[in-house]
Amino acid sequence: AQTVTQSQPEMSVQEAETVTLSCTYDTSESDYYLFWYKQPPSRQMILVIRQEAYKQQNATENRFSVNFQKAAKSFSLKISDSQLGDAAMYFCAYKLGAQKLVFGQGTRLTINP
Amino acid sequence: DVKVTQSSRYLVKRTGEKVFLECVQDMDHENMFWYRQDPGLGLRLIYFSYDVKMKEKGDIPEGYSVSREKKERFSLILESASTNQTSMYLCASSFTASGANVLTFGAGSRLTVL
Repeated sequence: AQTVTQSQPEMSVQEAETVTLSCTYDTSESDYYLFWYKQPPSRQMILVIRQEAYKQQNATENRFSVNFQKAAKSFSLKISDSQLGDAAMYFCAYKLGAQKLVFGQGTRLTINP
Repeated sequence: DVKVTQSSRYLVKRTGEKVFLECVQDMDHENMFWYRQDPGLGLRLIYFSYDVKMKEKGDIPEGYSVSREKKERFSLILESASTNQTSMYLCASSFTASGANVLTFGAGSRLTVL
């Protein structure tokens, strides 16, 4: 069964510094999608960034970037210049089949002013 | 600008009650999903639907059923609520044709069963 593991239940970072959230996954597929979603306190879950497995280039969205290591089945999220608004639960997810997403356990990120 | 609407943000029910959680999307998405979110467990898929009147079980369907009579509406039903169903329930929708199948989520429904 495909699984997604986030080994860091909680992380904290000083405002303006860089933080990396870890995610590993297990799959026998060669082509797939990976995602990072953000859930701010009491607000809706939103997509942060996505990566197609066949693309070797790491995805980047402004201050958010990923380190995709396909052979190691690792998909970490780097947040640069952390801002107070980045405080949230972050979920790593893997697309299974045509529609389903499998999510990791989540990492709660705290930003210290 | 709300695109996925869950009818109730907070509900308190008693053990044995029948509970309906409603979800409506206005984006003409084919796929709709119900996830359950619990601390330390992340999001777990209960049921999903890829078309009207079609449904498939997710990872934890026991104790739940769903209904999709119209494309925009997907209901989650707890036939006889139990205390272990106290949780946050998230509805989401997506286009199949989008390839990446990016989910759009609702705000969530926090259910407490006493």
